[in-house]
Amino acid sequence: KNQVEQSPQSLIILEGKNCTLQCNYTVSPFSNLRWYKQDTGRGPVSLTIMTFSENTKSNGRYTATLDADTKQSSLHITASQLSDSASYICVVSSGGSYIPTFGRGTSLIVHP
Amino acid sequence: DAMVIQNPRYQVTQFGKPVTLSCSQTLNHNVMYWYQQKSSQAPKLLFHYYDKDFNNEADTPDNFQSRRPNTSFCFLDIRSPGLGDAAMYLCATSRDGTGGSPLHFGNGTRLTVT
Repeated sequence: KNQVEQSPQSLIILEGKNCTLQCNYTVSPFSNLRWYKQDTGRGPVSLTIMTFSENTKSNGRYTATLDADTKQSSLHITASQLSDSASYICVVSSGGSYIPTFGRGTSLIVHP
Repeated sequence: DAMVIQNPRYQVTQFGKPVTLSCSQTLNHNVMYWYQQKSSQAPKLLFHYYDKDFNNEADTPDNFQSRRPNTSFCFLDIRSPGLGDAAMYLCATSRDGTGGSPLHFGNGTRLTVT
């Protein structure tokens, strides 16, 4: 069964600090992995996409990594801002399927 | 320039009273999805359409129905809402449903059942 596990479930950090969110998956065959940001009361928005051959990809202060061998991904947020407070969801797509597998998300709170 | 629009943003209904949630898209995407999301949980897929082909998830209750009259619109009908159906309902689209095409979400409809 395809599964995506995220950790930690929640995280509180001070503004300006860095943090790293983790995603482990057992999705086969693997197609790609996306990180979404979901602000409270909003729909998720795609931040990055990682394919099998990519190890690192950045989008501003967000940097995603992928280790396809260990089936792990991380999302690193640099110099956090109050607007980074949101839920971050890891979503893994399987080849040949229209249905991606969602993680439960990590709830990030950035305090001033 | 919202691309996936859900209406209403907030819906309050009474126990057992039918309710319809709507979703429209300006992306001309082939695939439309309905997800149910409860607090601190991952979105749970209810069903999806590839063009006019309807695909129901095995564990989606019969109480939930969907219609897609054309490419742009998709509706979620809850025939007899129960207290357990209170949740955020997210509509999403995908150009072709492959992993290379991201999901574009609407801002959801928050359903309250009294």
